[in-house]
Amino acid sequence: GAVVSQHPSRVICKSGTSVKIECRSLDFQATTMFWYRQFPKQSLMLMATSNEGSKATYEQGVEKDKFLINHASLTLSTLTVTSAHPEDSSFYICSARFRGETQYFGPGTRLLVL
Amino acid sequence: LAKTTQPISMDSYEGQEVNITCSHNNIATNDYITWYQQFPSQGPRFIIQGYKTKVTNEVASLFIPADRKSSTLSLPRVSLSDTAVYYCLVGSNTGGFKTIFGAGTRLFVKA
Repeated sequence: GAVVSQHPSRVICKSGTSVKIECRSLDFQATTMFWYRQFPKQSLMLMATSNEGSKATYEQGVEKDKFLINHASLTLSTLTVTSAHPEDSSFYICSARFRGETQYFGPGTRLLVL
Repeated sequence: LAKTTQPISMDSYEGQEVNITCSHNNIATNDYITWYQQFPSQGPRFIIQGYKTKVTNEVASLFIPADRKSSTLSLPRVSLSDTAVYYCLVGSNTGGFKTIFGAGTRLFVKA
C-alpha cells in the first residue's frame, strides 16, 4: 500500500530556533501534499496544501512566513517552523494524495518548544 | 467543501458490529466519501473509500444510500484495538481537492 513517512518523529527545541520536518511518499509519486496540525483532544487542522514545483497554498490564519513549505520533488515536502515558540508545540501530520481522491497520512511529528 | 456531521462518541463491546453514520447533506456530484481511523499520537489510517452503494474490504464496509447525503461505516466484530477516533471526509480531486477534518467519532470498545 501507499506509505508516507515523516522525519523526525519527535523533536524538542529551544524557543527562537527553527525546525524542519520532512514528509516523504515512499512508494508513489505525490503531486499534492498536505500539512496538518493537531492539538491534544482536537481534530486535524489543515495548514497548507503543497503542490510540487509551485508555492504552497495556506489556509486562513496560517502565517506563511512562520510555516515555510517546500515541495521540491514528487516524493518530498518539507515544513519549517521558523522562530518556534511554545505555542507552536503540537503534533504535525503530513499527507500525500495518491490516485486522485485518496490521501495517505504520515505517522506525525511531535514538536515541543521549550 | 461538503461539511460532515458525526456522533461525537460511541461505546461498544468486543465482538459486536459497530455502525458509525456520517451526514453530508451538501455533498457534490464529484465528491468521494472516505473514512479514516486515528490512534493517539499517530497519523490517520485509511480505512475505506466509496462513491455510491456499498463498498467492502478486509476491515470494513461502507454503505452509501442513493441520495449520498449520508454514509455508514460498518466495523464487524470489533475488538479492544478498534478503540480510536474515526473520521468521515468528503472531497473531490476536481476544483482543488483538500481534506477538511470534522470532529470525528470517538469509539470506545469495552471488554
